[in-house]
Amino acid sequence: EPEVTQTPSHQVTQMGQEVILRCVPISNHLYFYWYRQILGQKVEFLVSFYNNEISEKSEIFDDQFSVERPDGSNFTLKIRSTKLEDSAMYFCASSVRQGDGYTFGSGTRLTVV
Amino acid sequence: GENVGLHLPTLSVQEGDNSIINCAYSNSASDYFIWYKQESGKGPQFIIDIRSNMDKRQGQRVTVLLNKTVKHLSLQIAATQPGDSAVYFCAEVNAGNNRKLIWGLGTSLAVNP
Repeated sequence: EPEVTQTPSHQVTQMGQEVILRCVPISNHLYFYWYRQILGQKVEFLVSFYNNEISEKSEIFDDQFSVERPDGSNFTLKIRSTKLEDSAMYFCASSVRQGDGYTFGSGTRLTVV
Repeated sequence: GENVGLHLPTLSVQEGDNSIINCAYSNSASDYFIWYKQESGKGPQFIIDIRSNMDKRQGQRVTVLLNKTVKHLSLQIAATQPGDSAVYFCAEVNAGNNRKLIWGLGTSLAVNP
């Protein structure tokens, strides 16, 4: 069964450093998403991406965040200058249609120290 | 600052019993609903979905019921097994709002052998 692959599974970084979280969505999917989940809390929407541009972003997704689809397979989330409160599980998802048929990756646990 | 995790509702059942997990959704314009299972350290895993033109849908050992009048969704798991122990989230998608997923808080299901 096709999977969404995320790397690394766990990233530890110092406050103020830049991190890039990587995702390989399912190959025939057209819509891509990043969500995050702070420990013990519910999953929060960050951003959706379609046709090589952001289609929607949440209040969390401020100027420190950016997304990119640098080639035909990868979808990345960059945090420019990490803060302690960025520590969370970050999930990538993709879908064939907007708002339907999501497949989630296993997540990257980001720990900012 | 310190992240204080939300206290998830918890349902504890005996192995072999049926489980019912409830969810109240927020937006009467939502037209698509999904139940996800999340095991510790893993990404959300799709269980079953239902569209607003239905009030019941059955899968393998799972049934989702939708009551649009009171904006209520439930997940029934038949003959609950230890492997069903996880956090269960409902998510809604509405016709507007770029059709992004809006997640509920989650319910922790503990299956006692």
